[in-house]
Amino acid sequence: AQKITQTQPGMFVQEKEAVTLDCTYDTSDQSYGLFWYKQPSSGEMIFLIYQGSYDEQNATEGRYSLNFQKARKSANLVISASQLGDSAMYFCAMREGRGSSNTGKLIFGQGTTLQVKP
Amino acid sequence: EPEVTQTPSHQVTQMGQEVILRCVPISNHLYFYWYRQILGQKVEFLVSFYNNEISEKSEIFDDQFSVERPDGSNFTLKIRSTKLEDSAMYFCASSEFRGAYEQYFGPGTRLTVT
Repeated sequence: AQKITQTQPGMFVQEKEAVTLDCTYDTSDQSYGLFWYKQPSSGEMIFLIYQGSYDEQNATEGRYSLNFQKARKSANLVISASQLGDSAMYFCAMREGRGSSNTGKLIFGQGTTLQVKP
Repeated sequence: EPEVTQTPSHQVTQMGQEVILRCVPISNHLYFYWYRQILGQKVEFLVSFYNNEISEKSEIFDDQFSVERPDGSNFTLKIRSTKLEDSAMYFCASSEFRGAYEQYFGPGTRLTVT
C-alpha cells in the first residue's frame, strides 16, 4: 500500500497567490516525521520544512507552512505569496520509527508539479 | 553553508560495466543515504549507512550494489554490472543523526546506461 500519497500530479497558481499541495500518509507508528522537498528543473532536492508527529504546532518556514492534521493523516504544504521561482516539483516524504527502528529512511510520494503563472 | 557534494554530475556507461558514484557528506554528519530517481518518477530509498555498516537497504539494493566509506570524507555507491534499468538520478544524502529534522541531499549524479 502507498505510504505517501500526493493526489495532485500538477497544479497551477497565479503569482502572489497562496497554494496548497496535498499529502496524505499511512503509518502505524506513533513516532514519525514528515518532510517536504522542492525539486526544480535543475534536479537538486531542496529541503523545505519538517513536522514531527508529536509537534503540536504546525511547522512554518518563511512562506512555507505545513498544515498537519494528525487524525486525518494529512500534511499539506501551503506556499503563501507564490513566486515564479516556486515553479518546481514538490515531494512529500515520511520517516517512520523511533530509536533503533528508525534508520532515517525517507519514503517519498509521487510528487506534485507546481507551475506559477505571471 | 555546508553542503553535500557528488561526483560526477553525469556518468554515461555501457551495460555490464561497473560504476562508482562518489559523495562527500557534510563533515559532522554521521548518517548517510543513497536514493535514486528514475526520470519522471518518485525518489526511492536504496540504502542507509551508519558506523561503517548498512543500517537498512531496500529490495532495489541487490547484490549488484555496494556502499563504502573508504576514508573519513567520501561515501561511495558501486554498481558492479550496470543494467539499462539502472539509468536514473542517484542522490546521496546525509544527516547529523537518525532523527534529524533535515536530511541534506546532494545535487545528484545522472547515470545513463547504454
